[in-house]
Amino acid sequence: GAGVSQSPSNKVTEKGKDVELRCDPISGHTALYWYRQRLGQGLEFLIYFQGNSAPDKSGLPSDRFSAERTGGSVSTLTIQRTQQEDSAVYLCASSSPRRGGAKFKYNEQFFGPGTRLTVL
Amino acid sequence: GIQVEQSPPDLILQEGANSTLRCNFSDSVNNLQWFHQNPWGQLINLFYIPSGTKQNGRLSATTVATERYSLLYISSSQTTDSGVYFCAVPTDSWGKLQFGAGTQVVVTP
Repeated sequence: GAGVSQSPSNKVTEKGKDVELRCDPISGHTALYWYRQRLGQGLEFLIYFQGNSAPDKSGLPSDRFSAERTGGSVSTLTIQRTQQEDSAVYLCASSSPRRGGAKFKYNEQFFGPGTRLTVL
Repeated sequence: GIQVEQSPPDLILQEGANSTLRCNFSDSVNNLQWFHQNPWGQLINLFYIPSGTKQNGRLSATTVATERYSLLYISSSQTTDSGVYFCAVPTDSWGKLQFGAGTQVVVTP
């Protein structure tokens, strides 16, 4: 596709329910990142996937958060038993690999439009 | 971990004015990105700039990696320039980004 796409664009849920957020990266981008942006704040890293390697989950705030990436493309971020503090915009980004054995293995990241999650 | 600080936190400009936004980072970095988050929340890539100067229309950016800062210049500002400007640097070789808190820019007619 032309850019990173995310769905749904908005999600309102009740406290305690589970939600799934979807990200479809740019075709050919092997790295995929999830970030969270609380109201009026900057972005905070959650998790990333690179190729077929194990994901880096170091940014996930609790074990209620999980993510998977199927077939090296689409990713789903799942939040179980949602809490009001989970309300935020969840943004996905993707990046293409850099060639030539450079120390930094990926190029610039491109972001999707985000999913605005509201937990009542 | 690496710290990223942006200044000023807020900026109000009259249409046509010029401005400079600053991004300081606490450790050496291989790259740096500038983004514009428009009022609808979309993050738009402005520059991918490890060092040197790049220009794109009325915007330009300069990164001095040895002194750990980057500057974003907005010239002849327009109301469509309103939004939040973020800089971000990778914290590992796989590109995990650390964002600054952003500069909120309001351009008035």
